[in-house]
Amino acid sequence: EAQVTQNPRYLITVTGKKLTVTCSQNMNHEYMSWYRQDPGLGLRQIYYSMNVEVTDKGDVPEGYKVSRKEKRNFPLILESPSPNQTSLYFCASSRGTGVGYGYTFGSGTRLTVV
Amino acid sequence: GENVEQHPSTLSVQEGDSAVIKCTYSDSASNYFPWYKQELGKGPQLIIDIRSNVGEKKDQRIAVTLNKTAKHFSLHITETQPEDSAVYFCAASRAITGGGNKLTFGTGTQLKVEL
Repeated sequence: EAQVTQNPRYLITVTGKKLTVTCSQNMNHEYMSWYRQDPGLGLRQIYYSMNVEVTDKGDVPEGYKVSRKEKRNFPLILESPSPNQTSLYFCASSRGTGVGYGYTFGSGTRLTVV
Repeated sequence: GENVEQHPSTLSVQEGDSAVIKCTYSDSASNYFPWYKQELGKGPQLIIDIRSNVGEKKDQRIAVTLNKTAKHFSLHITETQPEDSAVYFCAASRAITGGGNKLTFGTGTQLKVEL
């Protein structure tokens, strides 16, 4: 089944403790992206990657890191999480970056930083 | 950058009625407008999209209209059913420097279809 898999689904952590949220897609998609979803703010882009070893900042990149060493994986790293990073996170992938390419989203990771 | 406004934030309709969700965008360079449906506990799923060279697109009970001049686009759901209850997001896409396209989302509409 074509899908984007995120892990974990739920995570509670303490301020300052490094964590990684994994994302993997099995569709051979070139484009991958991370979003955070907050009430009243919709989906905001954190980072995106147009191909292996090519990453760039989205609208809210502060406090996050990403890497794209393989086409299928695009982990999100929080080096020193803070409570304002408590949110619902989604990874998405797309076959290309041209007009008309729809995104496939993962099921989300709900992160709580205390 | 692009700004996408979406209204209403919540919408309650009776089963069988129609529902309309409206979005406006600010950047005239945006040329692709997808709509996503997010069910509880799941990620958003693409349900319909429209390109800037088309004024209307229909897929069974769902239709999207685009007014480029006014920078408005809308989602229309007819004969609503309980399974249409979800959060709906509009989005606008435009080309960005360095290649690729940037997708900017609206803030979402919680649709509730009541029996």
